Amino acid sequence: EPEVTQTPSHQVTQMGQEVILRCVPISNHLYFYWYRQILGQKVEFLVSFYNNEISEKSEIFDDQFSVERPDGSNFTLKIRSTKLEDSAMYFCASSEGGPEKLFFGSGTQLSVL
Amino acid sequence: AQRVTQPEKLLSVFKGAPVELKCNYSYSGSPELFWYVQYSRQRLQLLLRHISRESIKGFTADLNKGETSFHLKKPFAQEEDSAMYYCALGMDSSYKLIFGSGTRLLVRP
Repeated sequence: EPEVTQTPSHQVTQMGQEVILRCVPISNHLYFYWYRQILGQKVEFLVSFYNNEISEKSEIFDDQFSVERPDGSNFTLKIRSTKLEDSAMYFCASSEGGPEKLFFGSGTQLSVL
Repeated sequence: AQRVTQPEKLLSVFKGAPVELKCNYSYSGSPELFWYVQYSRQRLQLLLRHISRESIKGFTADLNKGETSFHLKKPFAQEEDSAMYYCALGMDSSYKLIFGSGTRLLVRP
């Protein structure tokens, strides 16, 4: 069964550094998403992406964050100048249509020191 | 504001007992409700959606708009049902899902 793939599984960075989290969505899916889960808290929506542009973003997704689909397969989340509070599990997801059935990756655990 | 509430952090039952995981939502529009499940060391995956009105792995959930609830039920729990369960809300003209805080279901032998 096709899966969403995320790399790396763990990322440790220093505060103020930039990180790029990578995702390979399922190949025939058209919608892509990033969610995050801070330890002990809810899974939170960050951004959705369709037709090579952001279709929706949350208040969390400020200028520090950006997404890109640099080629036909990868979908990346860039966090500029990381803060301690960015430490979380970041999940990529994709779907054929809208959010009716999301396929999640296994997540990247980001630790900002 | 839109919200999903799962009041129980942990629900522990014995094998063969009935299970009900509670979910309440707050949304003034026409909601779409989902249950996602995360088994140990596995990724988050869709269990069922209200619009399908189907039973998956013996689980069912009925949307009650009057009570703004979407509780997940199974008549006879199995040990393999032990997992983290998340209720999620989809909204009109939106790509995002709002998740509840999750309920850990532990089915004891």
